[in-house]
Amino acid sequence: DEQLLQSGGGLVQPGGSLRLSCEAFGFSFGAYDMTWVRQFPGRGPEWVASMSDVGGATDYAESVKGRFTMFRHSYNGMVYLQLNNVRADDTGVYYCARGGGFAFTPIALDMWGQGTMVIVSS
Amino acid sequence: DIQMTQSPSAMSASVGDTVTITCRATQDVNNYLAWFQQKPGKGPQRLIFGASSLQNGVPPRFSGSGSGTEFTLTISGLQPEDFATYYCLQYNNYPWTFGQGTMVEV
Repeated sequence: DEQLLQSGGGLVQPGGSLRLSCEAFGFSFGAYDMTWVRQFPGRGPEWVASMSDVGGATDYAESVKGRFTMFRHSYNGMVYLQLNNVRADDTGVYYCARGGGFAFTPIALDMWGQGTMVIVSS
Repeated sequence: DIQMTQSPSAMSASVGDTVTITCRATQDVNNYLAWFQQKPGKGPQRLIFGASSLQNGVPPRFSGSGSGTEFTLTISGLQPEDFATYYCLQYNNYPWTFGQGTMVEV
């Protein structure tokens, strides 16, 4: 079955770092752009970052630019979001999702991971 | 950035009703507009992409329409499992932007 399985997350202090992981199963990972989306408690989703299918292009939300880094390894079907210098307003549920806007025809997030909670607090 | 304004923010409905949710963009999104359903404690699930294409496995009571800057999600014959929050997403330009959501409740 096609699925995305997430790991990582948890409690981190302000200014700290955390890495989120997302493993792809059951589809040709290297054929798809990938995206991270987050959701603050009681709020709608917010796009965080996207990366092209072979990792040659990346785009980030202004709110995370310079602090978060997205990368992927095609050999093991993994995509990551490295969170550095985190702030309290980064607290939320983070989802990886299949799709992105780098291909000729963008794909709008047709598969999502189960989500992982990030809590930034001292 | 493209802003997405979704309305209403919440609505009450009954089983069997026809429900319409609207999403307006501040500029043309070239029909790169998707609709998602989200239930409490779960991640969003895509219902509609390309403004009007139905995701595989989604019941045909869900339909999307519109073009340019104004789009509509219609649920014809609301079922108990449809009580949820719905979001639109423009994926024409980065940063991708979601609407604020519409909670459909009993």
